[in-house]
Amino acid sequence: QKEVEQNSGPLSVPEGAIASLNCTYSDRGSQSFFWYRQYSGKSPELIMFIYSNGDKEDGRFTAQLNKASQYVSLLIRDSQPSDSATYLCAPGGTGRRALTFGSGTRLQVQP
Amino acid sequence: DGGITQSPKYLFRKEGQNVTLSCEQNLNHDAMYWYRQDPGQGLRLIYYSQIVNDFQKGDIAEGYSVSREKKESFPLTVTSAQKNPTAFYLCASNEANSNQPQHFGDGTRLSIL
Repeated sequence: QKEVEQNSGPLSVPEGAIASLNCTYSDRGSQSFFWYRQYSGKSPELIMFIYSNGDKEDGRFTAQLNKASQYVSLLIRDSQPSDSATYLCAPGGTGRRALTFGSGTRLQVQP
Repeated sequence: DGGITQSPKYLFRKEGQNVTLSCEQNLNHDAMYWYRQDPGQGLRLIYYSQIVNDFQKGDIAEGYSVSREKKESFPLTVTSAQKNPTAFYLCASNEANSNQPQHFGDGTRLSIL
C-alpha cells in the first residue's frame, strides 16, 4: 500500500460547482495534513492545513479530516477556471522527518 | 520579503558532467529539503537536512550529493552517476518539525544536452 493515495484524475467539474478531492494515508501516526496546489510548470503552493478531526474552512476551501478512516479531503466551492491545477496531499507529523506527498489529483474546471 | 530562492531556473547538463543547483532561504528555517518531480508524477525526496552540517538520504539519493555548511544554503549536486537527471527539482524548507508545512522555491528545470 502506498503511504499516500490520491486519484490522479483528471477530475472535471463545471464552473461554479463543488470540487471534491480525496486522499487516504497509511501512517496512523500522522498528526498534520497539508494540501498544496501546483499549477503546470510551477512549484507547489500551500493552500490548506488541518490538524484535528472535522472540518476547517478558509474562504472557498474546506478541508475535512477523519483520522479513524485515515482520510482527508479538500472541497472547493464555487469552482473557477483558475482553480484548474494539480492538488497534492501531504500528511505530516509522522516518524519521517520530511513530508510524504501523494502523486496529486488533476482538477479541470470547465467554463 | 522572506522566501526560498532557487537558481538557475533552467540548467543543461552535458554527458559526464556534474552540475550544482542552488537553494537559499531567508526564512530562518532549520530544515531544508530537495525533491525531484518527473512529468505527471508526484514529488520524490532526494535529501534533507534538519540542522547545519547534517543531512540524510531520502528515497532517491543515488547519483546526488548535498552539503549544509550554512543554515541559509542547501546546494544539490547532480553527479554524472545520475543517468536520468532530466526533471524538475524543488527545494523546500520549514522549521525542523514535520508538523509544520514546507514552503517551496520556484524550482530548477534540468535537462540533458
